Amino acid sequence: DSGVTQTPKHLITATGQRVTLRCSPRSGDLSVYWYQQSLDQGLQFLIQYYNGEERAKGNILERFSAQQFPDLHSELNLSSLELGDSALYFCASSVDPGQGQTQYFGPGTRLLVL
Amino acid sequence: EDQVTQSPEALRLQEGESSSLNCSYTVSGLRGLFWYRQDPGKGPEFLFTLYSAGEEKEKERLKATLTKKESFLHITAPKPEDSATYLCAVQVPSGSARQLTFGSGTQLTVLP
Repeated sequence: DSGVTQTPKHLITATGQRVTLRCSPRSGDLSVYWYQQSLDQGLQFLIQYYNGEERAKGNILERFSAQQFPDLHSELNLSSLELGDSALYFCASSVDPGQGQTQYFGPGTRLLVL
Repeated sequence: EDQVTQSPEALRLQEGESSSLNCSYTVSGLRGLFWYRQDPGKGPEFLFTLYSAGEEKEKERLKATLTKKESFLHITAPKPEDSATYLCAVQVPSGSARQLTFGSGTQLTVLP
């Protein structure tokens, strides 16, 4: 158990819908990262937050957005869902965004868009 | 563009048959190389972080090494419970960004 929690574990929805994925980082960690894992793309970085502020964006679609709240939990919002958005979504956390910091991953949310 | 390549894509071993997994990288200014283990449908589980060429780390049957161009994950006398996908990732300096760039993984199967 990494100490990172994610809810829900599974999500089934239809195209065009909007969903929210939630992540609670390890106790004491200030940085949160979101990654997407699909069969053909592997693990891809989406977005990074540190202490409530956005730090970096990766391959995140404009239909996707995220935020980190004062209690440090983070939410990833996915809207206008398409079939291709079906994937595993992971949250990771680290103590701070210093270089070389280990990121610990949560169990993931499996999203299926029908 | 930063690249991380893992080989082989898949590896089948008999229990007790030692082997090595390779992770080669072409990055500028490596800030850390990370090894994770991932079971099907689960989140990546952290194994090792390596920072500089010549560094080695061990944990049970696993040993990770780092050179200037590649890293190896050596598995000694593996057991069936070592079956998993092993992922390698690198972190490079990019302003305030600290994301990891992952390889595609090596799927290891250890047969009893």
